[in-house]
Amino acid sequence: EAQVTQNPRYLITVTGKKLTVTCSQNMNHEYMSWYRQDPGLGLRQIYYSMNVEVTDKGDVPEGYKVSRKEKRNFPLILESPSPNQTSLYFCASTARPPVNTEAFFGQGTRLTVV
Amino acid sequence: AQTVTQSQPEMSVQEAETVTLSCTYDTSESNYYLFWYKQPPSRQMILVIRQEAYKQQNATENRFSVNFQKAAKSFSLKISDSQLGDTAMYFCAFMKGQGAQKLVFGQGTRLTINP
Repeated sequence: EAQVTQNPRYLITVTGKKLTVTCSQNMNHEYMSWYRQDPGLGLRQIYYSMNVEVTDKGDVPEGYKVSRKEKRNFPLILESPSPNQTSLYFCASTARPPVNTEAFFGQGTRLTVV
Repeated sequence: AQTVTQSQPEMSVQEAETVTLSCTYDTSESNYYLFWYKQPPSRQMILVIRQEAYKQQNATENRFSVNFQKAAKSFSLKISDSQLGDTAMYFCAFMKGQGAQKLVFGQGTRLTINP
């Protein structure tokens, strides 16, 4: 089954404690992205990757890091989380157009930073 | 930069009614894609319908159809014969044709279908 798997689904942490949210896709997609969802703002892109070792900032990259060492994995790293990073996070993957433009999303990670 | 605007934060209709969700966007691109995503309480993002900008014909998927007005930069979603399972947050989204690295989302419309 084609899918994007995120872990964990829920996470409560304290300010300053480094954390990693994992993302893995089994569709051999080139493109992967991280988004955060906040009420009234929709989803906003944090970082994206167009292939292994190729990453770039999205619209709201401050406070986040990513890496793409393997095609299937794209972890999101918060080196020193702060309360304003409390949000719902989604990982997504897409094939290179025009093959297919549909983005496949993970199940989401609800992060609370206290 | 592209922007997507959904001006209806919340909507509510009775089961079996038809409802239309509005979306406008701003872009200088000529080649792009537009999407409607559904997010039920499970939080899963589900693709409802997709429209290629170069296609004049409006996309349809069963009870879901769009009214794509390219000149007006409008992309509304019509849900016919609404069902309780349609209750969800709906997001309109834009993607440039060159490179699928970014979806730009609207703010979302929370739709409630009442029995």
